[in-house]
Amino acid sequence: VLTQSPDFQSVTPKEKVSITCRASQNIGTTLHWYQQKPDQSPKLVIKFASQSISGGPSRFSGSGSGTDFTLTINSLEVEDVATYYCHQSSDFPYTFGQGTKLDIK
Amino acid sequence: EVQLVESGGGLVQPGGSLRLSCAASGFTFSDYWMNWVRQAPGKGLEWVANIKRDGSEKYYVESVKGRFTISRDDAKNSLYLQMNSLRVEDTGVYYCARTYGTGRSSALYLWGQGTLVTVSS
Repeated sequence: VLTQSPDFQSVTPKEKVSITCRASQNIGTTLHWYQQKPDQSPKLVIKFASQSISGGPSRFSGSGSGTDFTLTINSLEVEDVATYYCHQSSDFPYTFGQGTKLDIK
Repeated sequence: EVQLVESGGGLVQPGGSLRLSCAASGFTFSDYWMNWVRQAPGKGLEWVANIKRDGSEKYYVESVKGRFTISRDDAKNSLYLQMNSLRVEDTGVYYCARTYGTGRSSALYLWGQGTLVTVSS
């Protein structure tokens, strides 16, 4: 089971935002982060806990291993307002966190 | 262009069947594990199933075991999901997704636009 916090956060542009994901068991670094905007497909933003995606914005970073993980957005931009999901691919069944929705304050 | 395009969704009665398809283009389909992920209306993402590069391994979420079957045809660059004994709770948008790398534990990098399945009487 993956548990994200918070479920919802009001944010302002240029703010530093952190979202956490806690796994119920040790999953190493097989933890990935996705961004989903309304009526769009999910988009991978961080893979294997801390690896950035080629061509993706550098303001997204990830950290953690084992059971505790963090997605950080440095200097948030309006276009980053979305719902973010963590996902583990360590064991079957793969699971997603419940999502963290960001909106503009 | 590298893309995935799903089709086959629609309205079906409880207990009915549907077959979803996902057409891949722009990459070597046979190199990658492929996945189905669904999203109920207004809800989060749920991984449904995946299949190994050569089709020799298939995995499912518990709630669909025995009812859904994932398959692939590498000659047609296509992924399928046969859904039988459909339930109201299977309603949602179904996405096919390709892994980032060729390993099993890779992240889901390439996603289709999704196809809507509605199970209702």
